[in-house]
Amino acid sequence: NAGVTQTPKFRVLKTGQSMTLLCAQDMNHEYMYWYRQDPGMGLRLIHYSVGEGTTAKGEVPDGYNVSRLKKQNFLLGLESAAPSQTSVYFCAAQGRMNTGELFFGEGSRLTVL
Amino acid sequence: AQSVTQLGSHVSVSEGALVLLRCNYSSSVPPYLFWYVQYPNQGLQLLLKYTSAATLVKGINGFEAEFKKSETSFHLTKPSAHMSDAAEYFCAVTHGQNFVFGPGTRLSVLP
Repeated sequence: NAGVTQTPKFRVLKTGQSMTLLCAQDMNHEYMYWYRQDPGMGLRLIHYSVGEGTTAKGEVPDGYNVSRLKKQNFLLGLESAAPSQTSVYFCAAQGRMNTGELFFGEGSRLTVL
Repeated sequence: AQSVTQLGSHVSVSEGALVLLRCNYSSSVPPYLFWYVQYPNQGLQLLLKYTSAATLVKGINGFEAEFKKSETSFHLTKPSAHMSDAAEYFCAVTHGQNFVFGPGTRLSVLP
């Protein structure tokens, strides 16, 4: 019972490099989210998607891009990584807006040197 | 805009003692409220949620929370702490597709 799976779990980048984080869910949920978690700041929403082929900006979208080509996958891209993007990234899926529980992946720890 | 505050970034209790983690929210419309727990190196898991039914909500692992509209609060309690409760706890509010999370409270349980 996988739920939400994130890959990779750890990555070290140099400033200016690019990378993509993959989130895959097997629950057939419509809504998917990318958050970043930094100490003392809780989780902040980067981008989200309300369905296949749709994406929208969250609270902190700058420096990130996303795509939802398939319902089960939500990709987060960094085109030119910066040290400020060092963080733990979490993907979440939700079946019902408002009252639906967010199901989280285990996180991807990214370090940008 | 919605926001969440959690009083105390770190709370320590003795094993067997009462756990009280505070959450206050601001929202211009009736909110939906959640408590999530995060164990080390894991994602967040739902503890309980308030969705405008009963104001006292019971969750997993013996936790409960009470929605108090007049105080704009949704504090989390557990009568008797267990060592396995040591984790970080996040309160969240939503009305729409965007959850707003509080900064979190790290709970330590002392033997």
